[in-house]
Amino acid sequence: SQKIEQNSEALNIQEGKTATLTCNYTNYSPAYLQWYRQDPGRGPVFLLLIRENEKEKRKERLKVTFDTTLKQSLFHITASQPADSATYLCALPSLSGYSTLTFGKGTMLLVSP
Amino acid sequence: DSGVTQTPKHLITATGQRVTLRCSPRSGDLSVYWYQQSLDQGLQFLIHYYNGEERAKGNILERFSAQQFPDLHSELNLSSLELGDSALYFCASSARTGGSEQYFGPGTRLTVT
Repeated sequence: SQKIEQNSEALNIQEGKTATLTCNYTNYSPAYLQWYRQDPGRGPVFLLLIRENEKEKRKERLKVTFDTTLKQSLFHITASQPADSATYLCALPSLSGYSTLTFGKGTMLLVSP
Repeated sequence: DSGVTQTPKHLITATGQRVTLRCSPRSGDLSVYWYQQSLDQGLQFLIHYYNGEERAKGNILERFSAQQFPDLHSELNLSSLELGDSALYFCASSARTGGSEQYFGPGTRLTVT
C-alpha cells in the first residue's frame, strides 16, 4: 500500500538559516506532489505543487525538489523566519484515485529568533 | 482566508448523538473533500464530491455520510457518535476533480463526551 514518510521529530533551526524538510514515499510513482503548511487548529494551506517531469520548483523563499528515482521530495525554506514555524505536510495523489490526496503526517518546523 | 467556509466552528455533543457539519466551497469550485484529523492519525481523507456526485471514498465509517447539494455546498453527517470520533473535521475544495491544489476551510472541532 502507499506509504508517505515525513520526519515526526520537530526541526529546530535559527532565524536566517535554511530549513530542509523531507518527504519519502514508497510503492508508488505519483504524477505530482504537493506541499501544505498547517498552523495549530487551522486548515492546511497549499504552498507548492511539483509534477513528475519537474526537478525543482520555486516560489519566493520556498523551493521544492522531486526525485522520482529516490522517491523523495525535499522542501526548503531559505532565510527562515519565526513566522515560518508551522507543520508542513506533503501530499500525493491517492492510489485509489487521481482525484484524491493522501497526506503525510507532517513535520513541525520551529524557527527561533 | 481560503474562501471555504465551515460551520459550526465548535461542536460538543454526547455519545450516540447525530451531528451535521456544513461546508461551502470557494466560488466556482466544483469539488468538495472531507477530511478528519486527530492527533494520532493525521489528516485522513473521508469522501470526495464533484458537482453533486460522489467520486471517491476513503476511510469513512458507515455511520458517516455526506452529500453535495445543487448549490455545491456539502454536509457531512455523523451519527451514533463515539468518543473516538472527536477530531477536527476539514472540508476542502478545488476547481477540478484532481491534479490541482485544495483549499481548506477553518475546520469544525467536534468533541464527543
